[in-house]
Amino acid sequence: GAVVSQHPSRVICKSGTSVKIECRSLDFQATTMFWYRQFPKQSLMLMATSNEGSKATYEQGVEKDKFLINHASLTLSTLTVTSAHPEDSSFYICSAGRRGAGLSYNEQFFGPGTRLTVL
Amino acid sequence: EDKVVQSPLSLVVHEGDTVTLNCSYEVTNFRSLLWYKQEKKAPTFLFMLTSSGIEKKSGRLSSILDKKELFSILNITATQTGDSAIYLCAGAGSYQLTFGKGTKLSVIP
Repeated sequence: GAVVSQHPSRVICKSGTSVKIECRSLDFQATTMFWYRQFPKQSLMLMATSNEGSKATYEQGVEKDKFLINHASLTLSTLTVTSAHPEDSSFYICSAGRRGAGLSYNEQFFGPGTRLTVL
Repeated sequence: EDKVVQSPLSLVVHEGDTVTLNCSYEVTNFRSLLWYKQEKKAPTFLFMLTSSGIEKKSGRLSSILDKKELFSILNITATQTGDSAIYLCAGAGSYQLTFGKGTKLSVIP
């Protein structure tokens, strides 16, 4: 259980276009979904946190008009990179959180990531 | 299907103890294994391992990869309460990063 999928796994697009990445929790309802960007030194930067039905909370320095996040249901969140530029090329990872049964903390399950290359 | 399994899922130790966290993986086109420490928001990167048998160290933390057995361990010596966190390992393939479910480490004074 607790599988998170992302689609597409890899996307190449031209500069100026918009790209949508989907994150789905396949067998559980996610109370919260997180979007990360992985930088070359393998560190993960949290971009935003979203709760179903409410606006996403963006981390400092992340442009909310550029990285649009929609959390339409308890199993689906989307990240749209608008007017993509080559510097947006990166590995984007989502995770879905749920309260672990009998646990006092939220478990977090990661998707496999999406490699975005902007030409 | 790629798979990363961590054990134990949770661990409670006393300050000063040494702990070993385990990570086994089955990853297509395996490139590297990553260890992260997650306390609050984004996981903090600890190690990236690509070669078998070469130990990487950072202070009281060390890690090693066994590519033959598809296994990695993370050691923490002389644990402190600040080491309490969830430790994640992830296997990197060509285009994917597969995370394990994490080991929740609690260090009590």
